[in-house]
Amino acid sequence: GAVVSQHPSWVICKSGTSVKIECRSLDFQATTMFWYRQFPKQSLMLMATSNEGSKATYEQGVEKDKFLINHASLTLSTLTVTSAHPEDSSFYICSASSGINQPQHFGDGTRLSIL
Amino acid sequence: SQKIEQNSEALNIQEGKTATLTCNYTNYSPAYLQWYRQDPGRGPVFLLLIRENEKEKRKERLKVTFDTTLKQSLFHITASQPADSATYLCALRYNAGNMLTFGGGTRLMVKP
Repeated sequence: GAVVSQHPSWVICKSGTSVKIECRSLDFQATTMFWYRQFPKQSLMLMATSNEGSKATYEQGVEKDKFLINHASLTLSTLTVTSAHPEDSSFYICSASSGINQPQHFGDGTRLSIL
Repeated sequence: SQKIEQNSEALNIQEGKTATLTCNYTNYSPAYLQWYRQDPGRGPVFLLLIRENEKEKRKERLKVTFDTTLKQSLFHITASQPADSATYLCALRYNAGNMLTFGGGTRLMVKP
C-alpha cells in the first residue's frame, strides 16, 4: 500500500520550455502533497506544501510564479516549472500523506535537465 | 534554527554485522522522527516512524531509538545484507503541520 506515482521520470528540454510533473497517490487519498528538490549528494529541500482544493504554501525563496502547483483532487498534484532555465535542472520529488499524523510516501522523482 | 546532523561519511560494514546510523538534532524535540531509505535516482522509501514519547521501535531487522535527552535517534540494521546498501535519511516532524525536515543522509555500504 501507500504507492505514489510520479511522471515523467525524466525529461530533457530546451531553455524557455514549461514542464509539467504529475504526482498521483494510487491507493490512498492524499489530503496533503509536498514537492521537494534535491541536488546531487544533498538532502531534500521542501519547495511547497499543497492541500487539496486550496493554494499551495511555498517555502521561503521559492518563486510561486515559477513553480506552479495545482492540487486538483485527493489523488493528483501537479508541479509546472514555467519558462525553465538550466539552473532549474534538478531532481524533483513529490510526496503524499493521508493525514496529519501519517508518514509521507514519496514518488520516484523526476530528473529535469534544461539545455 | 533547527539543525539535523547525520554522518556525511559513508559507513562501510561487513555483511552480517549490525549497522548503526546516527541522527542528531539541535533545539527542540520533534513530535515524530522518521527514517527513510533512498537509492540512487529514486525517491525515499518510508521505513519507520517513532513518536516523541516512544523509546524504541522495531520492524523486522530494523530498530530505531529516540532519546529526547540526548536529542538523538539511532537506526540499526541487524544481520546486514549487501541489498541494504543505500542512503538513509532521518526526517523530523514537529507538531505544527505535517512538514518534514530532512537530514543530509548517511550512505551505507554493506560488503559481502
